[in-house]
Amino acid sequence: ETGVTQTPRHLVMGMTNKKSLKCEQHLGHNAMYWYKQSAKKPLELMFVYNFKEQTENNSVPSRFSPECPNSSHLFLHLHTLQPEDSALYLCASSQGWRQWNTGELFFGEGSRLTVL
Amino acid sequence: AQSVTQPDIHITVSEGASLELRCNYSYGATPYLFWYVQSPGQGLQLLLKYFSGDTLVQGIKGFEAEFKRSQSSFNLRKPSVHWSDAAEYFCAVGTPVNNAGNMLTFGGGTRLMVKP
Repeated sequence: ETGVTQTPRHLVMGMTNKKSLKCEQHLGHNAMYWYKQSAKKPLELMFVYNFKEQTENNSVPSRFSPECPNSSHLFLHLHTLQPEDSALYLCASSQGWRQWNTGELFFGEGSRLTVL
Repeated sequence: AQSVTQPDIHITVSEGASLELRCNYSYGATPYLFWYVQSPGQGLQLLLKYFSGDTLVQGIKGFEAEFKRSQSSFNLRKPSVHWSDAAEYFCAVGTPVNNAGNMLTFGGGTRLMVKP
């Protein structure tokens, strides 16, 4: 398996549920990202991990909790979400900043989240 | 702060016609520029990128883009559009080497529709 894989592809949850999104990359990269894509809004960067360290938290509410156990895996833990959190959540990876870097991000296919 | 503007939210062209999607950026230094495409229900796929050198860059699927520093633009072109090109196109500007990963800023996207 190659590229960036996200699971689940679709998730429906209530506001009191706890769920997690998973991302795995097989590209040998050391930086991973979570983006949120809502209807009619530009792609919003949520979190960045570089060599497993969180280097960016773009003022994301605490009901979203990222976890990066190693450079190949990234999770987004979801708790007490709101209906406005319904969106496509995209994971991406890239070469880390300590490596020679071509600059581009490689994206997964996304997890479509619906909060009821 | 860097920003990207895609002035056209929707564009409709006839199959076989030429295409130009506009992108204007704001960035204080030499930009790293990208075009991504997103088909419905999918993640983002890189079409092409510009770092330096020749200002006309070739990408996949017959696309090209031209960097014009004087106009702060990076417009995407294709001489003959195919029905399979119908998708959403995103321009992005980034700083690929810093201590926080690849900080890409995306434009709002242009949705391309292709008429038979």
